[in-house]
Amino acid sequence: QQQVKQSPQSLIVQKGGIPIINCAYENTAFDYFPWYQQFPGKGPALLIAIRPDVSEKKEGRFTISFNKSAKQFSLHIMDSQPGDSATYFCAASKSAGANNLFFGTGTRLTVIP
Amino acid sequence: DAGVIQSPRHEVTEMGQEVTLRCKPISGHNSLFWYRQTMMRGLELLIYFNNNVPIDDSGMPEDRFSAKMPNASFSTLKIQPSEPRDSAVYFCASSFRNSNTGELFFGEGSRLTVL
Repeated sequence: QQQVKQSPQSLIVQKGGIPIINCAYENTAFDYFPWYQQFPGKGPALLIAIRPDVSEKKEGRFTISFNKSAKQFSLHIMDSQPGDSATYFCAASKSAGANNLFFGTGTRLTVIP
Repeated sequence: DAGVIQSPRHEVTEMGQEVTLRCKPISGHNSLFWYRQTMMRGLELLIYFNNNVPIDDSGMPEDRFSAKMPNASFSTLKIQPSEPRDSAVYFCASSFRNSNTGELFFGEGSRLTVL
């Protein structure tokens, strides 16, 4: 059973657009929600992470929005660029140091110039 | 640091053959993870080690899969015998447990094709 559900599976936007990727979870024990970015032929790399004590976190053009009551969180990419084209994974775990990190199935983002 | 190093990067083999994937974690990291990535199921955790000890192998698909970590700088994932449904990209990742960030550092993966 998928612990973290992610949508959409793929996304195509024009340069400058704001792609939004959504994730949902059921386990209320989850306390740490990172996003990983994966370029073709490479392994995933940590992009940004949030804990449920805040509703939003920004790092550059990347923003995580978190809705604890709905058990949902999303990634927004402002002013998207072709270099943002990658696969994005949301994930969740019971703590930042927990070993069992549950990943979503990934969203393949394509930003058209 | 060179990051997590995996080998081989690509492996093509025939059904029934033994496959061994190798991983060198980042020096100083005390946790090591093996993941499998497929289009249908995304990233699946197969097994992880803390201080070279296997902690949870519940993600290992079946007895054909085995993993070892003989020391802090080396791990292997073995599939014997291999089957076409094992075709996937296998990632090794390492981290420093007890870190507040819990960041996983992934290798570049080993793409396995079983014919």
